[in-house]
Amino acid sequence: GQQVMQIPQYQHVQEGEDFTTYCNSSTTLSNIQWYKQRPGGHPVFLIQLVKSGEVKKQKRLTFQFGEAKKNSSLHITATQTTDVGTYFCAGRGDYKLSFGAGTTVTVRA
Amino acid sequence: SAVISQKPSRDICQRGTSLTIQCQVDSQVTMMFWYRQQPGQSLTLIATANQGSEATYESGFVIDKFPISRPNLTFSTLTVSNMSPEDSSIYLCSVAPSGRDGEQFFGPGTRLTVL
Repeated sequence: GQQVMQIPQYQHVQEGEDFTTYCNSSTTLSNIQWYKQRPGGHPVFLIQLVKSGEVKKQKRLTFQFGEAKKNSSLHITATQTTDVGTYFCAGRGDYKLSFGAGTTVTVRA
Repeated sequence: SAVISQKPSRDICQRGTSLTIQCQVDSQVTMMFWYRQQPGQSLTLIATANQGSEATYESGFVIDKFPISRPNLTFSTLTVSNMSPEDSSIYLCSVAPSGRDGEQFFGPGTRLTVL
């Protein structure tokens, strides 16, 4: 079945630095979504990528969808303490979303 | 957007008992899902709650253990039956409203602890 793998599992970042989290699927995806879950909260939708090679930006966040539609990345520049949380990618193959394991981000001030 | 409420927000239950979790949405939605998230883990889809028909369960989840009701387009329940400590988890209701390009909204979750 469809599997979505995400690395790294943990990311400890100095405030102001950049980091990237990566997502890979075992199968071609129709689209990929990214969610953020703050500690103690529920997942909140960030963005959806649909087209091969698509790149979208939200302020300091840059999302990419691979040419083969099997991988994606989230890059955050100039990390702030508000970026703390777990970032999940979720790939849609047929009808359902398969969530990656998530990257839990902590920030050193 | 969709606003989702869940009841209860948390519960502590004894082994062998059952708990029913309610999910209420502020608008009519066709697609409604139930997920499980164990502490520090990812989200696992339990089933899709279908209005007017039986839920569609994912591999590893069965109706006898997780019966689901979906009486209308704004409400659903998930029951965790004959609970064991392995069922301790957060259970999340989620919806995918039409016209939102597949974006899913999640409820606040129900934190279940089984002793």
